Amino acid sequence: NAGVTQTPKFRVLKTGQSMTLLCAQDMNHEYMYWYRQDPGMGLRLIHYSVGEGTTAKGEVPDGYNVSRLKKQNFLLGLESAAPSQTSVYFCASRRGPYQPQHFGDGTRLSIL
Amino acid sequence: GESVGLHLPTLSVQEGDNSIINCAYSNSASDYFIWYKQESGKGPQFIIDIRSNMDKRQGQRVTVLLNKTVKHLSLQIAATQPGDSAVYFCAENREAAGNKLTFGGGTRVLVKP
Repeated sequence: NAGVTQTPKFRVLKTGQSMTLLCAQDMNHEYMYWYRQDPGMGLRLIHYSVGEGTTAKGEVPDGYNVSRLKKQNFLLGLESAAPSQTSVYFCASRRGPYQPQHFGDGTRLSIL
Repeated sequence: GESVGLHLPTLSVQEGDNSIINCAYSNSASDYFIWYKQESGKGPQFIIDIRSNMDKRQGQRVTVLLNKTVKHLSLQIAATQPGDSAVYFCAENREAAGNKLTFGGGTRVLVKP
């Protein structure tokens, strides 16, 4: 049981480039989330989804887009990367209300 | 404003001793709380959770206490081991607020042999 898998694990981009981060979960969870973690800032919610075909904005959504075309996948896109988006990105999923979120091991993204 | 925070940024514990990590929350409407452990280079790992209709919950070597009167949450780790060295986060959730988990800033636990 792989749980939550994030790809890629590391990436370096140049300012203005675009990329997509993939999150896949094999637990049949309804809810999925994207966070960023920065030193001294803790985990901040970017976007989330409460089911296939749905997405919603979190605390820091600007500069990011998401899609949930399949229940098991949640994609995070950066259309035009900026140095301020250098961070570690975590995906999480959970079964439903009053259930814990389960996290992947993160994608470390550097934007030069 | 809404916040979930931790009193101590770093906690040094002797191996074998018990650890207590504290967390304060400001929103009395929070109804679900979770403790996570994060090791270097890894994602947060679920430890234990508690709903607001409970005061105490026990797991394997861990106990979470919830004091709603003073909006305080704690994680107790019994017989702390070197493998317990990590950053610990508390998080609160208000299901009515749309599934938005709010994390505290974290406490680093260092276990001394």
